[in-house]
Amino acid sequence: GAVVSQHPSWVICKSGTSVKIECRSLDFQATTMFWYRQFPKQSLMLMATSNEGSKATYEQGVEKDKFLINHASLTLSTLTVTSAHPEDSSFYICSARVVEAFFGQGTRLTVV
Amino acid sequence: QKEVEQDPGPLSVPEGAIVSLNCTYSNSAFQYFMWYRQYSRKGPELLMYTYSSGNKEDGRFTAQVDKSSKYISLFIRDSQPSDSATYLCAMSAMVAGTALIFGKGTTLSVSS
Repeated sequence: GAVVSQHPSWVICKSGTSVKIECRSLDFQATTMFWYRQFPKQSLMLMATSNEGSKATYEQGVEKDKFLINHASLTLSTLTVTSAHPEDSSFYICSARVVEAFFGQGTRLTVV
Repeated sequence: QKEVEQDPGPLSVPEGAIVSLNCTYSNSAFQYFMWYRQYSRKGPELLMYTYSSGNKEDGRFTAQVDKSSKYISLFIRDSQPSDSATYLCAMSAMVAGTALIFGKGTTLSVSS
């Protein structure tokens, strides 16, 4: 199957700082990528749809100024958590579809 | 009513058992159906993909889709302790630019 690579796999940052998470499609081009957030023992919650060359589409309740998404090329989307706070601590996962959807390894963010 | 319903379990079975995991859905437009396995602190891994109705088999895994009943199933034969994970069903009506709709996930534990 297709490969989606996500980096870093875990990060610890201080409250108030920003963190950037990268998502790459390694063997296919993805005009659209998806960003999810997952809390412990819960399912994936779609945060936003990232579109190459245009603005991301955010789900209701997701702060677009806090979660900045940039889809600069057909193989790279980035999620930047700005001015992170402890409540932003979570597991973030990106995805891209061919027909099936393939997921990155996930990034565990801990804000202290 | 949620779009996709999945019993979260937990489900505990002995090694070698046949496991049946199920999801129901309400949107008759769904055509693309997937099952994912997720280990703790990892991204979801695609197990099975089915388009429209029918059965699909891959090794110990069989996926079934019954669109008339809006019901999908994943069967695991000869279950192994390494199958212990959370299983997520996911589906969508279209592909291009469309995020999957996920069930809550079923936690499976296979004891040796």
